[in-house]
Amino acid sequence: GQQVMQIPQYQHVQEGEDFTTYCNSSTTLSNIQWYKQRPGGHPVFLIQLVKSGEVKKQKRLTFQFGEAKKNSSLHITATQTTDVGTYFCAGQTSGTYKYIFGTGTRLKVLA
Amino acid sequence: DAGVTQSPTHLIKTRGQQVTLRCSPKSGHDTVSWYQQALGQGPQFIFQYYEEEERQRGNFPDRFSGHQFPNYSSELNVNALLLGDSALYLCASSADRDEQYFGPGTRLTVT
Repeated sequence: GQQVMQIPQYQHVQEGEDFTTYCNSSTTLSNIQWYKQRPGGHPVFLIQLVKSGEVKKQKRLTFQFGEAKKNSSLHITATQTTDVGTYFCAGQTSGTYKYIFGTGTRLKVLA
Repeated sequence: DAGVTQSPTHLIKTRGQQVTLRCSPKSGHDTVSWYQQALGQGPQFIFQYYEEEERQRGNFPDRFSGHQFPNYSSELNVNALLLGDSALYLCASSADRDEQYFGPGTRLTVT
């Protein structure tokens, strides 16, 4: 079945350093969403990407959807302690309604 | 706007028992999806309800069933509980294929 993998599984960075998480799907996606989940919390929607090669920015966060629509990335510039949490990608394939969540990347930011 | 609400917050059940979890979607949303999130894992899609019908189902046994009411609220029922059903159960509402808003979840413990 369809699988969505994320790397790395964990990342510890010093505050101010950059961070990137990568998401890879075994099948072509129609769209991909990114979520952030704080410890003890619930996933919070960050962005949705639909077009091949799409790049979207939200302040220090940059999201990219691959040309083949099978991979995506989230890059955070100059991390802050408020960026701590687990980042999930969630992919949807054409003709379906379900989202398959990735394995997540847990980010820790050291002050 | 109260956002997505779920009840109860926590629940402890014994193996073999049955449980019902409830979800009220964000105002204006007509689609409700249920997810199971085990500790340290990404959310796993259980099923999605739209117009009071189960529109899509993930890889979960028939012990997991649901319902959507005319006001778009939804219930998740799990019969014959197993120890492995212990998890955080998340409800997410959306307006069709738009961003998903997650509720705070119900933490289910099966002993």
